[in-house]
Amino acid sequence: SYELTQPPSVSVSPGQTASISCSGDKLGDKYVCWYQQKPGQSPVMVIYQDTKRPSGIPERFSGSNSGNTATLTISGTQAMDEADYYCQAWDSSTAIFGGGTKLTVL
Amino acid sequence: QVQLQESGPGLVQPSQTLSLICTVSGGSISSGSYYWSWIRQPAGKGLEWIGRIYSSGSTNYNPSLKSRVTMSVDTSKNQFSLKLTSVTAADAAIYYCARILIPSGHAFDIWGQGTMVTVSS
Repeated sequence: SYELTQPPSVSVSPGQTASISCSGDKLGDKYVCWYQQKPGQSPVMVIYQDTKRPSGIPERFSGSNSGNTATLTISGTQAMDEADYYCQAWDSSTAIFGGGTKLTVL
Repeated sequence: QVQLQESGPGLVQPSQTLSLICTVSGGSISSGSYYWSWIRQPAGKGLEWIGRIYSSGSTNYNPSLKSRVTMSVDTSKNQFSLKLTSVTAADAAIYYCARILIPSGHAFDIWGQGTMVTVSS
């Protein structure tokens, strides 16, 4: 079965750039979405179709996807960005989620 | 503004059937642009996709749960539902319903607030 692999944790200083990776076989051939989940809240879509930002999501969130790796980049990271982030793709009509990455803003 | 709201028993006995309903407000479940989905999250763990349903009733399920899952849609009530049979402690989780926006690469663009299900006798 298809798998998406994320680092369990990433740390970043306020104002710096955070990068969260998501790897999977030929992932670049699929669309990747990213979701942000803060404690006690439902996930929120922050990136869809690899690079697109939904309305209301700050411009500091961006995405890329090529080869076997998709990346969520948060530029000028703020304390409010501290959360769990999940990548997601579809494989044979099955939604696959990565294991999640805890982003800590130190 | 479309909203999704999960409802159902918060406690299910082992070996019994978990039944949840998701009510869609602010938009029609019959729109051709969407699938409707269930996702769950055990305490302290990641997201697990359960399945999706189209307004026609067409479904796709997670292969790991397929033998125990049934989803259905009631367009007259603007609701869709989940049944999971033979539950065990491993099925305890927060269950979310979500909308899948087809034109956006099938992204989960709107989520319900989630409902916690405990499995215990």
